[in-house]
Amino acid sequence: GQQLNQSPQSMFIQEGEDVSMNCTSSSIFNTWLWYKQDPGEGPVLLIALYKAGELTSNGRLTAQFGITRKDSFLNISASIPSDVGIYFCAGPLTGNQFYFGTGTSLTVIP
Amino acid sequence: DVKVTQSSRYLVKRTGEKVFLECVQDMDHENMFWYRQDPGLGLRLIYFSYDVKMKEKGDIPEGYSVSREKKERFSLILESASTNQTSMYLCASIRQGEPYYGYTFGSGTRLTVV
Repeated sequence: GQQLNQSPQSMFIQEGEDVSMNCTSSSIFNTWLWYKQDPGEGPVLLIALYKAGELTSNGRLTAQFGITRKDSFLNISASIPSDVGIYFCAGPLTGNQFYFGTGTSLTVIP
Repeated sequence: DVKVTQSSRYLVKRTGEKVFLECVQDMDHENMFWYRQDPGLGLRLIYFSYDVKMKEKGDIPEGYSVSREKKERFSLILESASTNQTSMYLCASIRQGEPYYGYTFGSGTRLTVV
């Protein structure tokens, strides 16, 4: 099945630093979603993007829908310890079936 | 607060046992999904269901089956558990025709097969 290419695979950063991650696909998406998974929990939706070029913020998080519709970016500003977790991008390809990136594992060092 | 509930957070089963993982959603969603999550491999789709009594194979259905007798409940069955099925299992649901809201996930079941 389709997988989205997500990078980096893992990040270790100091508290207060900014974080950037991205996701690319060989297919065009009409929606991009970003999820966060806390340790031992299921993923929770952070941000949804519906239009090429769209830039959307949710607190310290900002996500962008790439203009080619084949990529998306997530930035976290001024990281804090509770940002720790795995971040997934996702996009629907057919019907209601979503494809997920392989995840970016974020560790924030206090 | 709408949610997807997975019956067990942690399970330990023996090789060869038949294992049932239960998932219930209270959002009246038509579509339900089972994924397994392994380090470095992301989320891989096992089975999904578009409606009651309907089921479709995902990318890795071997060794698994599913049951959807009621709209709110989607069960994953490991017919004869093996150690390579040790994993985190995630259930998700979504309303038919509304992909822009994404899935709602359960909290996951971490299964260990010994």
